[in-house]
Amino acid sequence: GQQVMQIPQYQHVQEGEDFTTYCNSSTTLSNIQWYKQRPGGHPVFLIQLVKSGEVKKQKRLTFQFGEAKKNSSLHITATQTTDVGTYFCAPTGTASKLTFGTGTRLQVTL
Amino acid sequence: DAGITQSPRHKVTETGTPVTLRCHQTENHRYMYWYRQDPGHGLRLIHYSYGVKDTDKGEVSDGYSVSRSKTEDFLLTLESATSSQTSVYFCAISVTSGTYEQYFGPGTRLTVT
Repeated sequence: GQQVMQIPQYQHVQEGEDFTTYCNSSTTLSNIQWYKQRPGGHPVFLIQLVKSGEVKKQKRLTFQFGEAKKNSSLHITATQTTDVGTYFCAPTGTASKLTFGTGTRLQVTL
Repeated sequence: DAGITQSPRHKVTETGTPVTLRCHQTENHRYMYWYRQDPGHGLRLIHYSYGVKDTDKGEVSDGYSVSRSKTEDFLLTLESATSSQTSVYFCAISVTSGTYEQYFGPGTRLTVT
């Protein structure tokens, strides 16, 4: 399967600070999805990136897919306590299978 | 949440006993998946199904079997539970149009003592 590394594993920010998580692959990806999992919850789909160099925004969240389609990032501007959770990247394979990265856990304090 | 339920939600069992987890969906999705989630490992695919009686292995399938006799139900069986199978188990479906994103059930927390 397609292996991806996510960094950092954990980040603690103060509310209002920005946050970025990175997803890196040694192989070219056809597309990549991002999910968020709140503490005690289940993963929830955020977005899919397909095109080289693609940038998509959802309010304070900005998602990027690298030009070589080997890396992706999620940037959150001005974090809020509602952003707390673990963010996973997941390349898509055959039969719509996903290979999840190990995730980045975000903690936001006031 | 794509009408996905999992049962039981919590279970404690002893080593060596068989355990079956059930995933039920109400929207006739073709693809269904079982994952386990452990600290430091993210979510790992155990088995998946692409139709009734059509299943295949994922990356961590040893010690697990699955069955899908109806579109709406996907069963995960631990034939003889071991402590290493203590985990949170998530079922998911994939929509088969657009982005093919997955929707997850609420999870089952399984403890093997």
